[in-house]
Amino acid sequence: VLTQSPGTLSLSPGERATLSCRASQSVGSTYLVWYQQKPGQAPRLLIYGASSRATGIPDRFSGSGSGTDFTLTINRLEPEDFAVYYCQQYGSSPPWTFGQGTKVEIK
Amino acid sequence: EVQLVESGGGLVKPGGSLRLSCAASGFTFSSYSMNWVRQAPGKGLEWVSSISSSSSYIYYADSVKGRFTISRDNAKNSLYLQMNSLRAEDTAVYYCVRGNYYDSSGYPYYYGMDVWGQGTTVTVSS
Repeated sequence: VLTQSPGTLSLSPGERATLSCRASQSVGSTYLVWYQQKPGQAPRLLIYGASSRATGIPDRFSGSGSGTDFTLTINRLEPEDFAVYYCQQYGSSPPWTFGQGTKVEIK
Repeated sequence: EVQLVESGGGLVKPGGSLRLSCAASGFTFSSYSMNWVRQAPGKGLEWVSSISSSSSYIYYADSVKGRFTISRDNAKNSLYLQMNSLRAEDTAVYYCVRGNYYDSSGYPYYYGMDVWGQGTTVTVSS
């Protein structure tokens, strides 16, 4: 089980967002993934392998962590970054569950 | 352009069946595992099922096991999801999603679920 916190993060453009994803059992860093989803759109891959940015993802997005604690950091929030973010453990043993999501909203 | 296009969604009565299809283009389909992920209205993402590149390995979420069947046709670059005994709680947008890459020796590369279709809506209601 992946538990994301907080459920909602209210921030202003230009601020830093720190999103947490905690696993009930240790997850290999290779298998920890982050996605972004905007209303009415399909999710988009942001980070794979806990810390590697997917193609085309700006460097203000960074991932870190290991074991059971992982973090997605968004430096200097841009207007287009306000969205819902999901973590997922994918590639080891199924089920490949998602966290419940963290909504980053404009304060 | 790498693309996944789902089809086959619609309105179905509880207990009914539906078959979703996903047409892949712009990449070597047979080199990737594929997935179905769904999202109920106003809810988060739920992984549904996965199939390996050669169909050797198939996995299901407990919520659909015994009712849904995933399959693929590499010659047609297509992924399918046969959904039987549908329930109201299966109502969701279903996404076709590209998974892990496998090289010619079968070694996997874990890049996350990196390509998503636009989704097809399944509504189960009487």
